[in-house]
Amino acid sequence: KNEVEQSPQNLTAQEGEFITINCSYSVGISALHWLQQHPGGGIVSLFMLSSGKKKHGRLIATINIQEKHSSLHITASHPRDSAVYICAARLDSNYQLIWGAGTKLIIKP
Amino acid sequence: DTEVTQTPKHLVMGMTNKKSLKCEQHMGHRAMYWYKQKAKKPPELMFVYSYEKLSINESVPSRFSPECPNSSLLNLHLHALQPEDSALYLCASSQTDFLASNEKLFFGSGTQLSVL
Repeated sequence: KNEVEQSPQNLTAQEGEFITINCSYSVGISALHWLQQHPGGGIVSLFMLSSGKKKHGRLIATINIQEKHSSLHITASHPRDSAVYICAARLDSNYQLIWGAGTKLIIKP
Repeated sequence: DTEVTQTPKHLVMGMTNKKSLKCEQHMGHRAMYWYKQKAKKPPELMFVYSYEKLSINESVPSRFSPECPNSSLLNLHLHALQPEDSALYLCASSQTDFLASNEKLFFGSGTQLSVL
C-alpha cells in the first residue's frame, strides 16, 4: 500500500462542473502540497497546507489532519484546468516528500 | 522573477556522449533540487543542494554528476547514460533547505532526455 494515495486516477468532466480530487496518507506529515503538471512537463505548486483550508481563485484545498485526508476542489471548471494534479506529503520526520501517483483531469468544453 | 529556467528543453544523446543540463533561478533561493520523472509517474528526488553544498544524494548512479557553481545555478552532468535513463529531468528550488513550513517548491519546465 502506498503511503500517499490519490483518487480518482482519471477524471473527465464537462466545463463548469465542480471537481474534487482526494488524497489520503498513512504517515505522519508536517505539510501537504498540491501541485499541477501540464502536458510538456512544467510543475506548478498550487498550495501547501498544514491545517484547515486555503483558497486561490477557483481552487480550494482542505486538509483534515485527524482523518489524514486532503481534498482539492475546482469550482466552475474550465478546459484550461486539464492537467495532472499531484499531492505530495512532507514527512514530519525528515525532509522527504512522498508523492501521490497523480490524478489526470480532463475538462471537456 | 519567479521562474526556474531549464535548458535545453529537449536533449537526445548517445550512450557514449557527455552532456549537461542547466538550471537557473534568480529568486534568492538557497535550496535547489534535481528530480527525475518517468512517464505517468511522480517525480523522484535525485539531489538536493543547500547553500551551494550537496546535502542529499538519493543513491543516484555516478553517471549523473551534479554541480552548483553558485547560488543561482545548478548543473547536471551526464556521461555514459543508459536508455533507461530517458526521462523528464526537473529542477526545482525553494527558499531554504528541507522545505521549511510554508515553503513552496518552484519547478522548471524540465528537460526531456532521450538516450539512444
